[in-house]
Amino acid sequence: DAGITQSPRHKVTETGTPVTLRCHQTENHRYMYWYRQDPGHGLRLIHYSYGVKDTDKGEVSDGYSVSRSKTEDFLLTLESATSSQTSVYFCATKGGSDSNQPQHFGDGTRLSIL
Amino acid sequence: GNSVTQMEGPVTLSEEAFLTINCTYTATGYPSLFWYVQYPGEGLQLLLKATKADDKGSNKGFEATYRKETTSFHLEKGSVQVSDSAVYFCAQGGSEKLVFGKGTKLTVNP
Repeated sequence: DAGITQSPRHKVTETGTPVTLRCHQTENHRYMYWYRQDPGHGLRLIHYSYGVKDTDKGEVSDGYSVSRSKTEDFLLTLESATSSQTSVYFCATKGGSDSNQPQHFGDGTRLSIL
Repeated sequence: GNSVTQMEGPVTLSEEAFLTINCTYTATGYPSLFWYVQYPGEGLQLLLKATKADDKGSNKGFEATYRKETTSFHLEKGSVQVSDSAVYFCAQGGSEKLVFGKGTKLTVNP
């Protein structure tokens, strides 16, 4: 959807290791988002970006950092992964600040931290 | 703050049954309202939207009407199919962020 590619699609790693997830979009959308999805919690916003080098925190940002050095890429980094960060991570994009515009989602990255 | 409340699932129906998934919201002002659908192993897809009071969004036989007086945006379909089995999310949108409900899992049996 909206030319969004997440990589990797699946990852298994160990507690304490750094992990970086990548989101790449081809639609030149201004806004990009990282969510995590967990049973019983629905979707929770981690961080989002409103332009190159412009980012802000979401509701569950502790333990995560992001970077956006160019319009098409938005990286999510877990500096030192913990088991509580095992989840499915979704990237989303949005064209502009018009509230009528929907967000478009990638297919997700399933991350397991052992 | 802004919030979205969906009926809790799971919901199990037989094919051709009528579907209603309730959604209510709290917001300052008049947000845009969305329904998203998530099929197993996939990301969320926009199902329909409404951007102002009394608007009706529709797609693939699904409908929802933006009711300002009851702050609701209930999803309905007259005759569900097995292929409609998925998780459905209601959301309200501002200029930058969406606020999601927790999702309702629908299973349709043949």
